[in-house]
Amino acid sequence: SQKIEQNSEALNIQEGKTATLTCNYTNYSPAYLQWYRQDPGRGPVFLLLIRENEKEKRKERLKVTFDTTLKQSLFHITASQPADSATYLCALDADSNSGYALNFGKGTSLLVTP
Amino acid sequence: GAVVSQHPSWVICKSGTSVKIECRSLDFQATTMFWYRQFPKQSLMLMATSNEGSKATYEQGVEKDKFLINHASLTLSTLTVTSAHPEDSSFYICSARDQTGRRYEQYFGPGTRLTVT
Repeated sequence: SQKIEQNSEALNIQEGKTATLTCNYTNYSPAYLQWYRQDPGRGPVFLLLIRENEKEKRKERLKVTFDTTLKQSLFHITASQPADSATYLCALDADSNSGYALNFGKGTSLLVTP
Repeated sequence: GAVVSQHPSWVICKSGTSVKIECRSLDFQATTMFWYRQFPKQSLMLMATSNEGSKATYEQGVEKDKFLINHASLTLSTLTVTSAHPEDSSFYICSARDQTGRRYEQYFGPGTRLTVT
């Protein structure tokens, strides 16, 4: 069955450092992969999408890499700030009859301390 | 940017009653909306796909007679949890696809926290 795995342990880093989060997947051949941010009690907010033919994508302090051979995506936040503290979700298009729905990983909680 | 709203943001109901949750796309039209459920510290799980003017498509294991979905217009989908039980307590989140946008663009609502006592 399709699986999306993200580090279940929370990531604690100091302000100013680079946070790196990992997303691994199995039994998928995704055309694209997405990253979302979710704050407690809120819906996910779209951050970045990377296509299968793209190795890397950047947006301001965010960088995503996509290795379809390793079946892995890395999500980096450079110069991290306490406001970056949240749960980050990796998502792939769902293998269902629904079309364009998403399957999500459990997310990795990031805590940036001053 | 595209905004999706949900109402109510939280609801407490007694076991056996029904609860309706609304999902609206505020500034775009959505032929397709998705309903997800999220338990604490778990991932969002797709429950069903709501298509405007037709029946919803439910994921395996989701009871269609318990979770009634109506997509009456291009900006509104509703999820009714019928005969709610405590195990239905969860965070329900909808998302909507902008029919004029690219296929991957989905916008999520803020979620509805349902507590069944």
